[in-house]
Amino acid sequence: DVKVTQSSRYLVKRTGEKVFLECVQDMDHENMFWYRQDPGLGLRLIYFSYDVKMKEKGDIPEGYSVSREKKERFSLILESASTNQTSMYLCASSYSNQPQHFGDGTRLSIL
Amino acid sequence: AQSVTQLGSHVSVSEGALVLLRCNYSSSVPPYLFWYVQYPNQGLQLLLKYTTGATLVKGINGFEAEFKKSETSFHLTKPSAHMSDAAEYFCAVRRGGSSASKIIFGSGTRLSIRP
Repeated sequence: DVKVTQSSRYLVKRTGEKVFLECVQDMDHENMFWYRQDPGLGLRLIYFSYDVKMKEKGDIPEGYSVSREKKERFSLILESASTNQTSMYLCASSYSNQPQHFGDGTRLSIL
Repeated sequence: AQSVTQLGSHVSVSEGALVLLRCNYSSSVPPYLFWYVQYPNQGLQLLLKYTTGATLVKGINGFEAEFKKSETSFHLTKPSAHMSDAAEYFCAVRRGGSSASKIIFGSGTRLSIRP
């Protein structure tokens, strides 16, 4: 069974800090995704990666960057955290056009 | 462009009653449609998907959905609700063209079950 693991379930950071969210998948999927989930807005795509070192902006990339140095790992970076980035962050992976598999999420609070 | 509309942000039904969660979509390409479920403090889990072929799709936990092209709908149903069905449900549609591996999610419907 596919497993997508996010390094932290809960994280509290301060405004202006650089924040790293890590995601690892164990199924050799080429596609990986970062979403943020906010009440009433569903899931919105932040960034997408379709191969190692390849990335593509999603719908709301502002204030975020990503890194994919190895196929199994996809990192989301908040360069200078702000309070409006307080949210639930979900990582997902997929093979080709197959359904995405999700991690359990990281609930990030920026104080 | 693709989009998804879920009618009703919150639906409440009695245990044993019919569950109906509504989803309408728009798509400029033949749609791939999905329903995902999210239990509290967990990620999303695929319930079912429609790609091609039979328009009535059966998923896990007794859920099913019917693709109706003429109505651009993909409503989710379950004949008899169980307390364990309480969760948030998301409808999603595949994006088109070179973005086909990406999907767009609806805003979600929270399902509550009354004893």
